[in-house]
Amino acid sequence: EAQVTQNPRYLITVTGKKLTVTCSQNMNHEYMSWYRQDPGLGLRQIYYSMNVEVTDKGDVPEGYKVSRKEKRNFPLILESPSPNQTSLYFCASSSGTGWPETQYFGPGTRLLVL
Amino acid sequence: AQSVAQPEDQVNVAEGNPLTVKCTYSVSGNPYLFWYVQYPNRGLQFLLKYITGDNLVKGSYGFEAEFNKSQTSFHLKKPSALVSDSALYFCAVTRGSTLGRLYFGRGTQLTVWP
Repeated sequence: EAQVTQNPRYLITVTGKKLTVTCSQNMNHEYMSWYRQDPGLGLRQIYYSMNVEVTDKGDVPEGYKVSRKEKRNFPLILESPSPNQTSLYFCASSSGTGWPETQYFGPGTRLLVL
Repeated sequence: AQSVAQPEDQVNVAEGNPLTVKCTYSVSGNPYLFWYVQYPNRGLQFLLKYITGDNLVKGSYGFEAEFNKSQTSFHLKKPSALVSDSALYFCAVTRGSTLGRLYFGRGTQLTVWP
């Protein structure tokens, strides 16, 4: 089944404790992206990647890191999480054959930073 | 800068009645517009998109949207609402020249009453 998977789905952590949220897609997509969803703010783009080893900042990249070492994976790293990073995070992918493209979203990761 | 406005946080409609979820956009150049839907505890799902051509776009689950360049709008419509249409709806915009960047609205919660 074609899908985008995220792990973990739920995470509670404490301020300053490094964490990684993984994202993987099995559709051989070139494009991947991370968003955060907050009430009243909708989805905001954090980082995106047009292809392997190519990443760019979105609207809210502060406090986040990403890497794209292989096509299928695009992990989101919070080096020193803070409470304002408590949010619902979504990973998405698309084929990369020609922008603009339909995005395929993962199920989301709900993060609570205490 | 690109932006999307969804002026209504909530839309309530009775089952069988027509529904409209509003979206206006601000973008320099030609816009590419999307509607996504989010069911509870799920990721976003693609509904429809406008890239070019006919201003009336038909999508999944009987939804359609009309691109109106003069009013910079892309309202989502359905002739007869179902209770199962109750969900959170997001409008999004991008441009061809801003590869990889996608801007979402705040979302509109649609509730269809039986």
